[in-house]
Amino acid sequence: GQQLNQSPQSMFIQEGEDVSMNCTSSSIFNTWLWYKQDPGEGPVLLIALYKAGELTSNGRLTAQFGITRKDSFLNISASIPSDVGIYFCAGHPQGGSEKMVFGKGTKLTVNP
Amino acid sequence: GAGVSQSPRYKVAKRGQDVALRCDPISGHVSLFWYQQALGQGPEFLTYFQNEAQLDKSGLPSDRFFAERPEGSVSTLKIQRTQQEDSAVYLCASSLWREEETQYFGPGTRLLVL
Repeated sequence: GQQLNQSPQSMFIQEGEDVSMNCTSSSIFNTWLWYKQDPGEGPVLLIALYKAGELTSNGRLTAQFGITRKDSFLNISASIPSDVGIYFCAGHPQGGSEKMVFGKGTKLTVNP
Repeated sequence: GAGVSQSPRYKVAKRGQDVALRCDPISGHVSLFWYQQALGQGPEFLTYFQNEAQLDKSGLPSDRFFAERPEGSVSTLKIQRTQQEDSAVYLCASSLWREEETQYFGPGTRLLVL
C-alpha cells in the first residue's frame, strides 16, 4: 500500500528554536495534512494543503505542498514548551483510493 | 460544540474475548472512519462509512473485525476472539461529507489484550 516517509523520527530542541520536519512519498498525493497528537488524545488537524505549491500558515506553523505532489514540510517557528507532542503528516493518494495515509510521526521535545 | 466521542476510553480483554468499541461522530457528519494505531506508529485506516453504507473495509485486518453504523450516526467496531496483536489504540474520525474533507478525531479507545 501507500507509504509516507516522515523525518526526522524525533527532535530535541531548546525553547525558541525553529523546527522543520518533512514527509515524502514515491507516489503522488492529492492532499497533504499535518496533525499533532498529544498523549492519550486523538490527532488534531494543524494545517491542510490541497494544491501543489500551496504554502499555508497557521500562527507559528507553516506548511507547504510540494510542487511534485510527492512531498510536504512543516515548519514551527519560535518553539514553546506546549509544542511538545507527536506530529504526523497524512495525505490522500492519487488514483481513486479513498484512504488517508499517515506517516510514522515526528516526536518533538522542547526543553525550556 | 461536541466533538467526536469514543467509549470506553480503555479496555482490557482476555485473549479470546469479544469486544465492542463505540464511536459518536460530530452531529451531522456524514462520513465516519475507523483507524488502528499501534504503539509508536501512525494511524492506519480500517474502514469507512458514508451514512450507514460501509464503502471501504479493505483495512480490516481479519474477519474477526466487524464494523457497523446502522442508522448513519453512531458506529460500533467489534473484534471477535481478540488476540494479543489486536492491542492498539482504535481511533474514530468523522468528516462533514466527503472523505477528502477535514477529519476530526476522537480521543481513541486503548485496547489491551492479555
